[in-house]
Amino acid sequence: AQRVTQPEKLLSVFKGAPVELKCNYSYSGSPELFWYVQYSRQRLQLLLRHISRESIKGFTADLNKGETSFHLKKPFAQEEDSAMYYCALLTGGTSYGKLTFGQGTILTVHP
Amino acid sequence: GAVVSQHPSRVICKSGTSVKIECRSLDFQATTMFWYRQFPKQSLMLMATSNEGSKATYEQGVEKDKFLINHASLTLSTLTVTSAHPEDSSFYICSAWTGRTEAFFGQGTRLTVV
Repeated sequence: AQRVTQPEKLLSVFKGAPVELKCNYSYSGSPELFWYVQYSRQRLQLLLRHISRESIKGFTADLNKGETSFHLKKPFAQEEDSAMYYCALLTGGTSYGKLTFGQGTILTVHP
Repeated sequence: GAVVSQHPSRVICKSGTSVKIECRSLDFQATTMFWYRQFPKQSLMLMATSNEGSKATYEQGVEKDKFLINHASLTLSTLTVTSAHPEDSSFYICSAWTGRTEAFFGQGTRLTVV
């Protein structure tokens, strides 16, 4: 069965420090993974997806199939990065779009 | 990016009444729409998958007679919480899948049953 695990419910760092939000997955097929972010009082929005291999707002995430991980990283955290972050796994194929979400990690960046 | 509009954003209803929540994709046709329930500072729990013109697929443990989903067109899905009770109070979120590996989310509906 598919599963996404984000082991840290809360993560606090100081501004300028590196940050890593962990995500591990379990899936029998070829995984497609995403990071979504939810800022305070805003809707969930896509941060990045592994197939694009992009860097958004300084965040990157690399899919490690050997470790079944898709950790989100940023070398220098900013206060505006404070938000809830969800790792998500696409199941059912791209024409179907079913996402399985992790439990979420609340990131707080202190000044 | 694409926009998904969810309405209402907040609703308070009396116990025993029904509430309808709408989810519209404003500038694209969604092949599939999804309904989630989110508890405070917790994950999104998928309730059901909605496809235009066919019956919704409910996740295990979700009562289909309580949470009625209608997908009338490629741009509109509705969730009706029937005979609502206080334990149904929650934040409900819809998302629409573009078919191009991206989901767009509505702003959510805060339901309070009193």
